[in-house]
Amino acid sequence: SQQGEEDPQALSIQEGENATMNCSYKTSINNLQWYRQNSGRGLVHLILIRSNEREKHSGRLRVTLDTSKKSSSLLITASRAADTASYFCATDAFRSARQLTFGSGTQLTVLP
Amino acid sequence: DADVTQTPRNRITKTGKRIMLECSQTKGHDRMYWYRQDPGLGLRLIYYSFDVKDINKGEISDGYSVSRQAQAKFSLSLESAIPNQTALYFCASRGNTDTQYFGPGTRLTVL
Repeated sequence: SQQGEEDPQALSIQEGENATMNCSYKTSINNLQWYRQNSGRGLVHLILIRSNEREKHSGRLRVTLDTSKKSSSLLITASRAADTASYFCATDAFRSARQLTFGSGTQLTVLP
Repeated sequence: DADVTQTPRNRITKTGKRIMLECSQTKGHDRMYWYRQDPGLGLRLIYYSFDVKDINKGEISDGYSVSRQAQAKFSLSLESAIPNQTALYFCASRGNTDTQYFGPGTRLTVL
């Protein structure tokens, strides 16, 4: 089963616009992570937010976490064509032996 | 040089054949993982290992086996491949932080 579910499944925007992706999950977590995957390639870690944090920034990335709603969002500001990729949230849940459970991803397309 | 490498990168095989996918990491991590990814889906965990003597089944271990030959090496085997095992396979490693580092993937096609 997949703990995290991303929304939307696909998102297409113009270069320079902001992109927001959402993730919902089901059980209590230690942390939530966002990964990026370029087509057919391995995943690259973007950012991690712990259960006691509400917001985190890294460059053009901003992640929020609402544990009461069991949801997270990833905001990419001033998007670039090179941001085109699939973005996955992954939860590190309590009692999971520190495994990650991935959502099905959001396919982001940034048009030049 | 890549920290997590996988071989082969692409493999086409026939139903019933035994296949081994190999993974090596140079990061000195204790924890290693095997995932599969199907089109339009996220990754699902097949097996994971916390050290050489510790192997654990993941969400979808049926039809697969693994071997942790050394801290740096973690192999995935399909004893008798079937078409619905056609997928992208990823290996990952993790050290003392919560971040996993992924290999480039192996695209496996079972005819």
